Amino acid sequence: EVQLAESGGGLVQPGGSLRLSCAASGFTFSSYWMSWVRQAPGKGLEWVANIKQDGSEKYYVDSVKGRFTLSRDNAKNSLYLQMNSLRAEDTAVYYCVRGVATILYWYFDLWGRGTLVTVSS
Amino acid sequence: SSELTQDPAVSVALGQTVRITCQGDSLRSFYASWYQQKPGQAPVLVIYGKNNRPSGIPDRFSGSSSGNTASLTITGAQAEDEADYYCNSRDSSGNHLNVVFGGGTKLTVL
Repeated sequence: EVQLAESGGGLVQPGGSLRLSCAASGFTFSSYWMSWVRQAPGKGLEWVANIKQDGSEKYYVDSVKGRFTLSRDNAKNSLYLQMNSLRAEDTAVYYCVRGVATILYWYFDLWGRGTLVTVSS
Repeated sequence: SSELTQDPAVSVALGQTVRITCQGDSLRSFYASWYQQKPGQAPVLVIYGKNNRPSGIPDRFSGSSSGNTASLTITGAQAEDEADYYCNSRDSSGNHLNVVFGGGTKLTVL
């Protein structure tokens, strides 16, 4: 079955760190851009970061630059998001998503169920 | 970065046609994609590119684009179409490998 499964969410204090993981199965992980998209409680979707198939290119939304680091291990079919210096506004459900990028569009065709990150003292 | 604007809420009578719009400068350069999200669930891709539906998406969903506006049309809305709908596109300002989402539209089927 083609799927993505996130783990690693939880409650963390402001200024703390958390590492999210995403296990991919049922498709050739190394052939796809991968991303994280988050959704704060009761709010809309926000793109967080993209990583190229071989990990050579990474892109981040301005609000997480310098604090979050995206990486992948194609041998383990896994995606990771290291989140440091966490703030209350980082509280959200974080979705691992598979991306398809072309010169004219970018879409996310496979989503995990999400993992909740809560930043609170 | 670019911004995409959506109406916060739209309603449609059962069986009628509804259009959900998404506006932004990035749509002059890139196509929008559309996602449906029901409460407590992850989003699902319904339209991508010019007007492409993933496998399993009913053909009552269609997409179109003109100028800086992209539209998702549901022809003959069903009760199960009640959901939040989001558009996204590539970012046209700065890094084109960034992605932007619209704020979402809550669709109510009456």
